[in-house]
Amino acid sequence: DVKVTQSSRYLVKRTGEKVFLECVQDMDHENMFWYRQDPGLGLRLIYFSYDVKMKEKGDIPEGYSVSREKKERFSLILESASTNQTSMYLCASRRDRNYGYTFGSGTRLTVV
Amino acid sequence: GESVGLHLPTLSVQEGDNSIINCAYSNSASDYFIWYKQESGKGPQFIIDIRSNMDKRQGQRVTVLLNKTVKHLSLQIAATQPGDSAVYFCAEKWSGNTGKLIFGQGTTLQVKP
Repeated sequence: DVKVTQSSRYLVKRTGEKVFLECVQDMDHENMFWYRQDPGLGLRLIYFSYDVKMKEKGDIPEGYSVSREKKERFSLILESASTNQTSMYLCASRRDRNYGYTFGSGTRLTVV
Repeated sequence: GESVGLHLPTLSVQEGDNSIINCAYSNSASDYFIWYKQESGKGPQFIIDIRSNMDKRQGQRVTVLLNKTVKHLSLQIAATQPGDSAVYFCAEKWSGNTGKLIFGQGTTLQVKP
């Protein structure tokens, strides 16, 4: 069964900390995505990557960065966590642009 | 604009009844559509997809209908069960762009026993 694995289900971090959210897919997919999901705001795209070492900004990239050194791994980095980054973070991947996404289980991040 | 809308935020149905969840999309150039199910505390799960050259596609207990004339997408769930309770999202992909999916806000399906 194909999988997108997010390293943590729940995280609590302090304001100002640097936070790493890891995502690994085992499907040899080209494209990977990071979303955040908040009540009333739906799914908002933070960053995406169409290939190794490539990255593109999504709709809300401010305060975030990403890394994709290997095809299977896409990391989301919160450079200096703030309370408004408390959210559910979802990683997704897909084979190519002609297919839908497979999502991970999500990481619920709380910044205190 | 970039929006995919759902007609109702919450749908309540009796167990065993059929459910219909609707979605209006805005871009007539969209060529691919997907329905996702998201249970509480989990990531969205793929249910069924349909490409713009089709009007209907069936899966196990689910059917997706696409009406390109009025830019409308629906998900029909037959014999709704308590395990179907979740938030359902539609998503569209515009042809010719980067291929990002545009998601709707979601409809909450509540199944009454």
